Amino acid sequence: GESVGLHLPTLSVQEGDNSIINCAYSNSASDYFIWYKQESGKGPQFIIDIRSNMDKRQGQRVTVLLNKTVKHLSLQIAATQPGDSAVYFCAETAQAGTALIFGKGTTLSVSS
Amino acid sequence: NAGVMQNPRHLVRRRGQEARLRCSPVKGHSHVYWYRQLPEEGLKFMVYLQKENIIDESGMPKERFSAEFPKEGPSILRIQQVVRGDSAAYFCASSPRDFVSNQPQHFGDGTRLSIL
Repeated sequence: GESVGLHLPTLSVQEGDNSIINCAYSNSASDYFIWYKQESGKGPQFIIDIRSNMDKRQGQRVTVLLNKTVKHLSLQIAATQPGDSAVYFCAETAQAGTALIFGKGTTLSVSS
Repeated sequence: NAGVMQNPRHLVRRRGQEARLRCSPVKGHSHVYWYRQLPEEGLKFMVYLQKENIIDESGMPKERFSAEFPKEGPSILRIQQVVRGDSAAYFCASSPRDFVSNQPQHFGDGTRLSIL
């Protein structure tokens, strides 16, 4: 079926550590992937995206890796800060601009 | 530039009443999407609209739910005869017309609907 899932529901790290959040997707037709961050009481906030013709994309302190062979997506956050504490969702779509399919999310907790 | 604006932020209704949720997209965006989020879960797609057109409503229940995006004014998600199971956070997202640039969907902060 068409679904996106995450490996771990929660992840706890120390401030300054690197965080890796994983996501598996099942629809091989998906060609556009996005990571969102959602803080309590707020809407999803765009972090970084990647197209299926790429396997890596970097932003400020974040890197997204895409492995199409095993249909796996990951988000790496460098030097994790308390402000990074939130729920992280990966989402996929078969065409940019159409409906996103979200996974259930990973709750990242950063302790000082 | 203002982001996606949703109102009200919180809405309380009794069973059987109607709920109207409004969404003003980012200025210049002509595509609007509605999603529903239950506690501890991810967002589930409901409906995708362009100005005056419903493009995809495959995620929206066939009964009691309707959506519109008129030529002027915000997009409206309407739920008639609400039931307790409609309690959720409803999010709206928008994106620009130009798909070529692969612009991601930008979300509002949602409307929390509570049914008594």
